[in-house]
Formats: sequence, structure tokens, C-alpha cells
Amino acid sequence: EDKVVQSPLSLVVHEGDTVTLNCSYEVTNFRSLLWYKQEKKAPTFLFMLTSSGIEKKSGRLSSILDKKELFSILNITATQTGDSAIYLCAVVPNNDMRFGAGTRLTVKP
Amino acid sequence: DADVTQTPRNRITKTGKRIMLECSQTKGHDRMYWYRQDPGLGLRLIYYSFDVKDINKGEISDGYSVSRQAQAKFSLSLESAIPNQTALYFCATSSTGGRYNEQFFGPGTRLTVL
Repeated sequence: EDKVVQSPLSLVVHEGDTVTLNCSYEVTNFRSLLWYKQEKKAPTFLFMLTSSGIEKKSGRLSSILDKKELFSILNITATQTGDSAIYLCAVVPNNDMRFGAGTRLTVKP
Repeated sequence: DADVTQTPRNRITKTGKRIMLECSQTKGHDRMYWYRQDPGLGLRLIYYSFDVKDINKGEISDGYSVSRQAQAKFSLSLESAIPNQTALYFCATSSTGGRYNEQFFGPGTRLTVL
């Protein structure tokens, strides 16, 4: 059975801290891994990863995939209160998409 | 205007009622998806469709049905709603020509079954 596990489920930090969110997976046929940010409404796309070892960056956010160890991490440096959200990891095994439960990040001033 | 719209945005209904949630998109995408989101469980795929004549069951299709009336419209039905179908429902779209499987989500429909 395909499985996507995110950790931690919840995290509280202060502005300026650096955080690392984890996503591990077990799927029968891996195609890609995606990270989404969900604030009050719909998830919005952050990154898509298909190859191991290639870091994707967007401002203070970065992500990398390890296809041998079956995990990905999402790093956020110099966190801001606007980073508070649920971060979702999703894996594409075939034509559908499997989501993890998400990590709820709270950044305090 | 939003690219992916869902109606209604909120709905409260009673056990046993038939409910339809509608999704429309103006992105011109061929693929459409229905998910439900429950606290602690993340998003789970209910049904997906790759074109008007293609319907596929997802992870949790029992108790649901869908209809792809046109490329731009994909509706989700609960034939006889039950309380454990209380959840936040998202429609999403993607394009076979775009970044592989990047999905664009609608604003969600919050459904409560009493």
C-alpha cells in the first residue's frame, strides 16, 4: 500500500528560526514528489522534485529529494509569521497523487 | 476571476440526503480531481478524470460518484450522505502538458452531515 508520512505533525518556532520538515514515502512506482503550502484555503504549489540530490530553491525555501532513502526535506530559513501554514507533501506513484497528513507550522513573532 | 471554482462553499445537510458538489475550471486543463481533507489525515483522492470519457476511482471512492459533464466541469455526488462524510472537499486540475502533475486547487467546499 502506498504511504506518505510527514514529520513532525506540528511545529512551533519563533521568527528567524530555521525549520526542516520531513516527508518519507513508500510507493510502488515513484514519478515525482511535490510540496504544497496550505494557509486558510486551498493548497498552493511550492516545489516538484523528480531527481535525487538536486536542490530546488525559492527564496527562503528549499527542498531536496533522496530516492534511495525514500524521503524529502523542506527547509525554511529565517522564518516569518507569514510562513505559518500546513505544509503538505504529495507523491505521484502512477496517475494519482498521495498526500501526507501535513505538518502544521506556527511561527511566533 | 478564480481559475478553479467550487460550489457551494459551505453546506450543511442531514443524513440520507443526496448532495452534489460542483467544480468548474477556466484553465483549459484536461485532468480533474476530487479530494477530501480530514484533520490528521491530509488530502485523500476520491475520484479523478483525465478527460470527459475517463473516470477513475481514487483511494476512497465508496459512497461517492462523479460526473464529468464537460472538460471544464467535474461534479461529485454523495448519493446518501452520512456523518463521516463531513469534511473539506477540494477539486483540483492539472494539465498533461504542464509541469508533471502540478495540481491547481479550488477554494474548497466545507460539508457538514448531521
